[in-house]
Amino acid sequence: TQLLEQSPQFLSIQEGENLTVYCNSSSVFSSLQWYRQEPGEGPVLLVTVVTGGEVKKLKRLTFQFGDARKDSSLHITAAQPGDTGLYLCAGDFSSSNTGKLIFGQGTTLQVKP
Amino acid sequence: GAVVSQHPSRVICKSGTSVKIECRSLDFQATTMFWYRQFPKKSLMLMATSNEGSKATYEQGVEKDKFLINHASLTLSTLTVTSAHPEDSSFYICSAYRGLAGPYNEQFFGPGTRLTVL
Repeated sequence: TQLLEQSPQFLSIQEGENLTVYCNSSSVFSSLQWYRQEPGEGPVLLVTVVTGGEVKKLKRLTFQFGDARKDSSLHITAAQPGDTGLYLCAGDFSSSNTGKLIFGQGTTLQVKP
Repeated sequence: GAVVSQHPSRVICKSGTSVKIECRSLDFQATTMFWYRQFPKKSLMLMATSNEGSKATYEQGVEKDKFLINHASLTLSTLTVTSAHPEDSSFYICSAYRGLAGPYNEQFFGPGTRLTVL
């Protein structure tokens, strides 16, 4: 059974601080997605990483995929209150295109003004 | 693109009644749709995988007779919570998957349905 360990599960920081969220597995991902969810809404896709060592940037968010494709990280620079939400990583472990994803436990981020 | 709608957004029902939730992919055909349940401040829990024209595949521990899934077309899947009880109260979210038409294994989520059973 593939597991995706996401940490930390809760994070409360002040506006302007930096933070990193980690997503780890003992298995290799075919791809990994990061989603952000606000209360009462569905998750919104932020990025997909596919290639080992890949780095993608989305404004103040930087996403990295480990060389071995077993881990990923999300780094937010100069966090703002608008970044508050639940961040989810989700991995595709299958070599066939089933669409099924394994989700991490989620990281609840609170950015205080 | 990749918009998924869900209806209703909120529903309150009496214990013992059945509730149907619709999930639609508005601008693409979804080979597969997924149904999740989410508890407050927790991650998504996959309930079942729904493929058009075939029976849904349920995750371990999910009662298929209680959570009926129908995938009538490539753009519509429904989840019916039968004989709902207060413990079924939760946030239900669907997602749609484009399959090989998409470059990656990405799911696009609906806005969710808040079910409250009195």
